[in-house]
Amino acid sequence: GAVVSQHPSWVICKSGTSVKIECRSLDFQATTMFWYRQFPKQSLMLMATSNEGSKATYEQGVEKDKFLINHASLTLSTLTVTSAHPEDSSFYICSAMGHAWDGYTFGSGTRLTVV
Amino acid sequence: KNQVEQSPQSLIILEGKNCTLQCNYTVSPFSNLRWYKQDTGRGPVSLTIMTFSENTKSNGRYTATLDADTKQSSLHITASQLSDSASYICVGRGGGSQGNLIFGKGTKLSVKP
Repeated sequence: GAVVSQHPSWVICKSGTSVKIECRSLDFQATTMFWYRQFPKQSLMLMATSNEGSKATYEQGVEKDKFLINHASLTLSTLTVTSAHPEDSSFYICSAMGHAWDGYTFGSGTRLTVV
Repeated sequence: KNQVEQSPQSLIILEGKNCTLQCNYTVSPFSNLRWYKQDTGRGPVSLTIMTFSENTKSNGRYTATLDADTKQSSLHITASQLSDSASYICVGRGGGSQGNLIFGKGTKLSVKP
């Protein structure tokens, strides 16, 4: 149980375009989802926390207008990187937490490359 | 300041050997401490979750220990396999219903044949 599916696993896009990353909880209701960014050889850095039906809470320094997060249902959250630039190239990972346990389950990550 | 520090930063061992990874944490209020395995280009996968009242927890060849007094944890890997090559991340969780996860930078383990 507690599976989180993240898509796509990798994406290459042109500078200035937008990219949407999906994170789905397959067998549980994710009341809270988290989005992280990880640069090479660095630890995961929390970008934002979203509760279903509410606006996301962004960490300091993360542009909310650039990284749009939607958590409209208990099983789906999306991260849209708008007007992507090469410096946005990174590994993006979601994780989800449900009601019933204290586990954070991570998605498999999305490698974004902006050219 | 909440923080998690791991050592060593990287480690190379021969297949079949044992190894121990260290984690020092300062997380307050403290809820639990987790060890994750992260393969290159993949999301972290949970190995163990330990509360302050648990001293030892095993998951197959992985055994985690926790000393709440010294705020130290270790992850011991027995009879290493090539597939154990990965980054191992120690994560402290703060208290409260949405306690933050405090990530260590990880130990990169390479198991050589």
